[in-house]
Amino acid sequence: QVQLVQSGPEVKKPGASVKVSCRASGYPFSSYGITWVRQAPGQGLAWMGWITPYNGNTRYAQNVQGRVTMTTDTSTSTVYMELRSLRSDDTAVFYCARTRTFDSSGYYPSHFDYWGQGTLVTVSS
Amino acid sequence: QSALTQPASVSGSPGQSITISCTGSNSDVGGYNYVSWYQQHPGKAPKLMIYEVSNRPSGVPDRFSGSKSGTTASLTISGLRAEDEAEYSCTSYTSSTLVVFGGGTKLTVL
Repeated sequence: QVQLVQSGPEVKKPGASVKVSCRASGYPFSSYGITWVRQAPGQGLAWMGWITPYNGNTRYAQNVQGRVTMTTDTSTSTVYMELRSLRSDDTAVFYCARTRTFDSSGYYPSHFDYWGQGTLVTVSS
Repeated sequence: QSALTQPASVSGSPGQSITISCTGSNSDVGGYNYVSWYQQHPGKAPKLMIYEVSNRPSGVPDRFSGSKSGTTASLTISGLRAEDEAEYSCTSYTSSTLVVFGGGTKLTVL
């Protein structure tokens, strides 16, 4: 069965970086993109960006562009999301999600059919 | 890119039907049939309930249905059950930033 297993909770100081992992299993890893979504305490879901292992493309949301990097390790079927220059308002639960696309080339995301369990990142001095 | 607009909360009694709206623009909801809905219980990961406006993934009860008219998409839950109490979020493909989420709607089953 499809599973996305994320790394554990993190506590970071303002200005530091965090790298969250998402290990996929149960499907051909390189055939699907992975999207990252964050949810601040008591807030809604927010798209951060996605990475497509089949062509190495990434696309990031404007509000994290320049601070975020998404990478893949196909040897371990793992996707990483690194967020730098952390601020207190980055405190959130971060989710990875397998992404279905609506075009045959895999450039355009349609929906997210499997999700990781979430990783809480707390930014506090 | 502004978030899609959802009501903050809706409520209904067991057995009733409720509808949650998700309003966007011609750049997202109105321009494409790639609206999806997610259910999220407290402390849990979101779960896909509807994709491409009205399609249900395997395992999702047929009490859940989706539709769209113009720039507003809707999620309808019929025969409300206590376990339906959760947060529901919509999302859409958008030509400007690829993906946009709604702010979420808390469903209370009275």
